[in-house]
Amino acid sequence: GENVEQHPSTLSVQEGDSAVIKCTYSDSASNYFPWYKQELGKRPQLIIDIRSNVGEKKDQRIAVTLNKTAKHFSLHITETQPEDSAVYFCAARPRGAGGYQKVTFGIGTKLQVIP
Amino acid sequence: DAGVIQSPRHEVTEMGQEVTLRCKPISGHDYLFWYRQTMMRGLELLIYFNNNVPIDDSGMPEDRFSAKMPNASFSTLKIQPSEPRDSAVYFCASSPLPSGGSLEQFFGPGTRLTVL
Repeated sequence: GENVEQHPSTLSVQEGDSAVIKCTYSDSASNYFPWYKQELGKRPQLIIDIRSNVGEKKDQRIAVTLNKTAKHFSLHITETQPEDSAVYFCAARPRGAGGYQKVTFGIGTKLQVIP
Repeated sequence: DAGVIQSPRHEVTEMGQEVTLRCKPISGHDYLFWYRQTMMRGLELLIYFNNNVPIDDSGMPEDRFSAKMPNASFSTLKIQPSEPRDSAVYFCASSPLPSGGSLEQFFGPGTRLTVL
């Protein structure tokens, strides 16, 4: 099955700086890579996702890059703000022969933005 | 829509007792997932359903865990008998058919289970 590794486990940055979270996956057949944000005591929510036919995707201050050859993908947050403080999860979904396949999550990165 | 609804939000029980967690997915969603979240293991998929049919239960830790989805608007996750190591936050999530390249899962608020 798919194995997703995520690092760092914790990350502290000054407000206004950039934050980068990196993930690797094991199944070369994976073709969908979402990122979820979970604020303290809240539910995980999708913030951005990318498919394997795209190398980069941006949404305002958030961007995700994908390197299929190396089997790794990263989340980049620019101009960080205190409200970006949360746990971020990467995930990977292998391409299925038909129907839906399960998403495997990384262990999570706790991001703290220091005002 | 109210989103995914889970009950109870908090459950404290004693070892050996039966625990039933409940979930109401978003209307019209075809997929329903049960996850367990712990500090050590993160978010683990326990089981997921497609159109009320269990598709993959390989994440269910052992026979003490069982899940059902009797209809499109209701699912249960049961633990019998419960053990202290089952203490975790259990999330239910639902998802529509893939659309526009997105496979977003919509999570419920979770049930925090404590087994004493």
